[in-house]
Amino acid sequence: AQKITQTQPGMFVQEKEAVTLDCTYDTSDPSYGLFWYKQPSSGEMIFLIYQGSYDQQNATEGRYSLNFQKARKSANLVISASQLGDSAMYFCARLTSGTYKYIFGTGTRLKVLA
Amino acid sequence: DGGITQSPKYLFRKEGQNVTLSCEQNLNHDAMYWYRQDPGQGLRLIYYSQIVNDFQKGDIAEGYSVSREKKESFPLTVTSAQKNPTAFYLCASSTPPGLGNTGELFFGEGSRLTVL
Repeated sequence: AQKITQTQPGMFVQEKEAVTLDCTYDTSDPSYGLFWYKQPSSGEMIFLIYQGSYDQQNATEGRYSLNFQKARKSANLVISASQLGDSAMYFCARLTSGTYKYIFGTGTRLKVLA
Repeated sequence: DGGITQSPKYLFRKEGQNVTLSCEQNLNHDAMYWYRQDPGQGLRLIYYSQIVNDFQKGDIAEGYSVSREKKESFPLTVTSAQKNPTAFYLCASSTPPGLGNTGELFFGEGSRLTVL
C-alpha cells in the first residue's frame, strides 16, 4: 500500500530553536503533491506548505521550509525559530496528481518549551 | 469570510441511533471530503465527492452515508451500523491541483461524536 510514514510520534524543541519533522512516503507515481498540516488542540487542520514532485526548489513559507529529497522519497518539515504557538500535531500528506485521494501520515506531536 | 462550517461541534448519541453531521462551504470548491480521526492516528477517508450528485466511498465507508445535492453541502450520516462511531470527524473541500492551485484541503473545525 502507498503510505506516508512519520516516525516521530512526539518531539520537543526549545523556544527559538529550529526543529525538523520527518516524513517519508511510498509511491510509484511520477507526479504528486506533498503537504504539511498543523492541528492545534482546537482540532482544525491548518495548511502550512506544499511541494510538487517536479518542483526543482524546496518550498518555503515564512518560518516553514520543506526539505524535499525525491530520490529518498522524503519531505521533512523544518520549522525555524520555534514559538510556543507552534505546539501542535503535524501531519504530512500526499496527493497523486489526477486523483482526489489524499493519504495522511499518523502525525508528530510537537511541544515547544519556554 | 469564506470557509467551511461544521455542526454540531459536539454530539452525543445513544447506541442504535443515526446522527447527521453538517458540512457547508462557501469556497465554491467542487470537491468535498469526510475524514475520521481517532487518537494517535492520521486521517482516514470516509467518503468524497468530486461534483454535485456524485460521491465515492473512501477507505472506511461502512456504516456511513452521504449526499451531495448542492455544491455547498455535504452532510454525513453515521448510521447504527457503524460499530465504533466515537471519533473526531473532519470535513474538507478542495479545488483540483493545477493552474496555480496546489490542491490543498481546506478543513472545517470538526465534529466530535461520542456514543453513550
